[in-house]
Amino acid sequence: NAGVTQTPKFRVLKTGQSMTLLCAQDMNHEYMYWYRQDPGMGLRLIHYSVGEGTTAKGEVPDGYNVSRLKKQNFLLGLESAAPSQTSVYFCASSLSEALQPVGVYNEQFFGPGTRLTVL
Amino acid sequence: GENVEQHPSTLSVQEGDSAVIKCTYSDSASNYFPWYKQELGKRPQLIIDIRSNVGEKKDQRIAVTLNKTAKHFSLHITETQPEDSAVYFCAASMGQGAQKLVFGQGTRLTINP
Repeated sequence: NAGVTQTPKFRVLKTGQSMTLLCAQDMNHEYMYWYRQDPGMGLRLIHYSVGEGTTAKGEVPDGYNVSRLKKQNFLLGLESAAPSQTSVYFCASSLSEALQPVGVYNEQFFGPGTRLTVL
Repeated sequence: GENVEQHPSTLSVQEGDSAVIKCTYSDSASNYFPWYKQELGKRPQLIIDIRSNVGEKKDQRIAVTLNKTAKHFSLHITETQPEDSAVYFCAASMGQGAQKLVFGQGTRLTINP
């Protein structure tokens, strides 16, 4: 199993350009997440999805859109990139907590990351 | 919403000594607290986690303690080795459903030979 994969690994954009980051997982996980990682700020949740066809906002959703048309894929889009979106983007996935005792969480598995620079 | 503070931001210890990283959280409803290790240029990976109904959990040289009353939890690494050098992140569960996490700012741990 490949686990969680992300494409591309690196990308440089000019301000105002658009792009889509692709996350794929082959673990049949229900939940998927997009985070951004900036120096000194840890990982911050951008958007997440609890299943195919559903998406929801996280802590820092502005400037991003997402789609989950297939269970195994979660796309992150930047419609008009800004220098403030220069970051490392991580996708993650996990099993749902359904059928687990209350308070039992399943591990989030992370992808290798995409380093995005916006000039 | 949930806020997680992590200290220290950098930590340097001699090989064989112990390292302790501390986190505090703000939402008393948080009930799950994982710790992730991220090596340079790599993805974060879960190393240990604890639920709110447990005060301490150990896994070989790694242990996590939780004080729900004070809303803080800590990672303890004993007998540190060079391969323990990495950035460590604590996290706390956020809100209801979807197993959402709020992460601390990270601690860069360096083990000196």
